[in-house]
Amino acid sequence: GAVVSQHPSRVICKSGTSVKIECRSLDFQATTMFWYRQFPKKSLMLMATSNEGSKATYEQGVEKDKFLINHASLTLSTLTVTSAHPEDSSFYICSARERGGSYNEQFFGPGTRLTVL
Amino acid sequence: KQEVTQIPAALSVPEGENLVLNCSFTDSAIYNLQWFRQDPGKGLTSLLLIQSSQREQTSGRLNASLDKSSGRSTLYIAASQPGDSATYLCAVRPDTGTASKLTFGTGTRLQVTL
Repeated sequence: GAVVSQHPSRVICKSGTSVKIECRSLDFQATTMFWYRQFPKKSLMLMATSNEGSKATYEQGVEKDKFLINHASLTLSTLTVTSAHPEDSSFYICSARERGGSYNEQFFGPGTRLTVL
Repeated sequence: KQEVTQIPAALSVPEGENLVLNCSFTDSAIYNLQWFRQDPGKGLTSLLLIQSSQREQTSGRLNASLDKSSGRSTLYIAASQPGDSATYLCAVRPDTGTASKLTFGTGTRLQVTL
């Protein structure tokens, strides 16, 4: 299957700093990328959907000014958590849908564990 | 609004047993259904994808079935192994739109014991 990578896998930062998470589709072009957040022992919560070259669409209740998403190319999307606070600590997972792929299967990255002190 | 439920929430079986995980969804108007596996602290690995026109898909010891009209899917794992221990998630996709969103189930946490 197609591979999606995320960097970094783990990040610890101080409250008030900004953190950038990268999501890359390694061997395919992704028209659409999704960003999820997952709390311990819970299912995934969709935060936003991004299409290459256009603004992201945020889910209800997700602050667009706090979670900045940039989908600059067909293989890269970034999520920046601005002025992070301890309540932003979570597991963030990105996903990419293959452009023109068979049945448009969705592939997931390995996740990024963010801890805000 | 689509709701996806998985039963049981947790399951423990001895190695070698065959087992079935269940997934039900309230709106039968789906485009496809995917089964995923998630290991602790890791991302999701896609196991099987079933299109709405299909009734089942197989990969190795895994077999997924889909009964769209009744809103049900099952994941059958044959001859379970300790390495199968993980959380299994099903997710449905409503349509073919490039931005159409997956709705995830609540997950089944599987433990296969020696």
